[in-house]
Amino acid sequence: DVQLVESGGGLVQPGGSLRISCAASGFTFTSHWMSWVRQAPGKGLEWVANINQDGSVKDYVDSVKGRFTISRDNAKNSLYLQMNSLGTEDTAIYYCTREERWGQGVLVTVSS
Amino acid sequence: DTPMTQSPSTLSASVGDRVTITCRATPSISQWLAWYQQKPGRAPKLLIYGASNLESGVPSRFSGSLSGTEFTLTISSLQPDDFATYYCQQYNYKFGQGTTLEV
Repeated sequence: DVQLVESGGGLVQPGGSLRISCAASGFTFTSHWMSWVRQAPGKGLEWVANINQDGSVKDYVDSVKGRFTISRDNAKNSLYLQMNSLGTEDTAIYYCTREERWGQGVLVTVSS
Repeated sequence: DTPMTQSPSTLSASVGDRVTITCRATPSISQWLAWYQQKPGRAPKLLIYGASNLESGVPSRFSGSLSGTEFTLTISSLQPDDFATYYCQQYNYKFGQGTTLEV
């Protein structure tokens, strides 16, 4: 079974940085695009970023371009999201996804 | 950009009704679309993947279809537990705006 387990969430001050991770198992990681999705409190679902199988193609929602970086380590079956210059609007549950399969999510709170 | 146009944004219905929600993708995304149900305070729940495949454990009153570039989620006979918000998503990419199904 596909398993996606996020980690690294927490409380960070505005302007700060955080890296969240996703450990993947139960499938051939190197064969799949991966992505991050988020949901802010009381808001809808928002796709954040995606990355292709070898990490050479990446795309981002406009609101995070230049601040967030998606990456992957295929040797470790892991996906990452480096988040810089965080603002309160980035407070959300962040989900690691592979097509229709999602992890349980990790909470990122940006607050002073 | 390939926006996902989901409609309607709100749908009023009654128990027993047949309801449909649509998402349109331009250009075509083949069958790479999923439907999710979400209730307040809960994580999204996968209903349909690959446009028309019913996720294990999801009631058979839910179905998905594709015609051209229009995806449809159908609930054949609404049950009280079905009142929620529904989203479509192109795999690894954008979501529709969401449809709130209300009494």
